[in-house]
Amino acid sequence: GAVVSQHPSRVICKSGTSVKIECRSLDFQATTMFWYRQFPKQSLMLMATSNEGSKATYEQGVEKDKFLINHASLTLSTLTVTSAHPEDSSFYICSALMGGGGLETQYFGPGTRLLVL
Amino acid sequence: LAKTTQPISMDSYEGQEVNITCSHNNIATNDYITWYQQFPSQGPRFIIQGYKTKVTNEVASLFIPADRKSSTLSLPRVSLSDTAVYYCLGAQGGKLIFGQGTELSVKP
Repeated sequence: GAVVSQHPSRVICKSGTSVKIECRSLDFQATTMFWYRQFPKQSLMLMATSNEGSKATYEQGVEKDKFLINHASLTLSTLTVTSAHPEDSSFYICSALMGGGGLETQYFGPGTRLLVL
Repeated sequence: LAKTTQPISMDSYEGQEVNITCSHNNIATNDYITWYQQFPSQGPRFIIQGYKTKVTNEVASLFIPADRKSSTLSLPRVSLSDTAVYYCLGAQGGKLIFGQGTELSVKP
């Protein structure tokens, strides 16, 4: 149980194009999902909290118009990197929150490697 | 959210027990302690979670003293495949802030 998938696993795009990454909770429903970014040899950095049916909450310094998040259902959140540039190249990881009643656990997807040329 | 402090790196040998200690002095009353394992180019994998005392599952044990200002992840009889980065986090309401983690290197 508690499986989270991401698609695509790897994407290469040209500078200026937009890229959409999907995050799905396969065997549970998740009202809340999270998006992280990880650069080489660094820890995960929380970008935003995705809430089903409402606007995402972005961390300080993360441009909401640059990283569009949509959480249209209880099992799917998408991250769109708009007008991607080489500095957006990174490892993007999502997670889905499972549980309630005081004990909640985040389960992570396998990540998406984005390379912007 | 609890700020956590862990050793940057640890070395071990196959078959040994490894204990990684994490300090979280300002942990909130409602925070649980959760540990994750991450291999290169993969998302973090949930290992174990606890609130106080001792929790054990099929892969690890977690010891949390009464004051909850620290916790220790215990990995019994590590193998080469346990070489990874281990993160300790305090979480309540789901939000996690990752520290730098502990890079564990298991040698033959």
